[in-house]
Amino acid sequence: SQTIHQWPATLVQPVGSPLSLECTVEGTSNPNLYWYRQAAGRGLQLLFYSVGIGQISSEVPQNLSASRPQDRQFILSSKKLLLSDSGFYLCAWDSGPMNTEAFFGQGTRLTVV
Amino acid sequence: AQTVTQSQPEMSVQEAETVTLSCTYDTSESNYYLFWYKQPPSRQMILVIRQEAYKQQNATENRFSVNFQKAAKSFSLKISDSQLGDTAMYFCAFMNSGAGSYQLTFGKGTKLSVIP
Repeated sequence: SQTIHQWPATLVQPVGSPLSLECTVEGTSNPNLYWYRQAAGRGLQLLFYSVGIGQISSEVPQNLSASRPQDRQFILSSKKLLLSDSGFYLCAWDSGPMNTEAFFGQGTRLTVV
Repeated sequence: AQTVTQSQPEMSVQEAETVTLSCTYDTSESNYYLFWYKQPPSRQMILVIRQEAYKQQNATENRFSVNFQKAAKSFSLKISDSQLGDTAMYFCAFMNSGAGSYQLTFGKGTKLSVIP
């Protein structure tokens, strides 16, 4: 069966520090991968998606970047965190055409102080 | 661009009663999918129910059913015989089936509390 792992679960980082959140999927190949941010009262906002290794599309210009170094690995990064980067980050995958269900990770609560 | 609106930030329902969560959306597409996702306090988001826009029949999944009104662009979720485990945030979501990558557009969510 397929599983999705996202870590860490919680993170407190000072302003100006770097960020690296990792997401891996097991039990499937060539998934579509997504990073969402969930801010209080604002629902889920798609940040990045990837349809293949090295292919990243950004939905919202900001202080964050994403990379996909391997087929089932998706990384969310920042060189210098801002206070406004605080939020709950969710990784998700789906298998693309013909299968519309997305599967979500447990999420990472990021607090920038 | 598509938008999804959930006008009820919070709702509550007595255990064993029925509750309906509202969702409206805006799109110029004719072919798309609609979803309800549930995010319980444990935080892992899971799919509750899905509806294909080309199907007129409303989707049902056990105690969960939808009222899909395509002309009105409305997609409400009905939970029957509410259970304590239904307490969660519920997100309505839209997916354009014509896109190369299947991206979800979410509403802001409705926090549902089931009261014993």
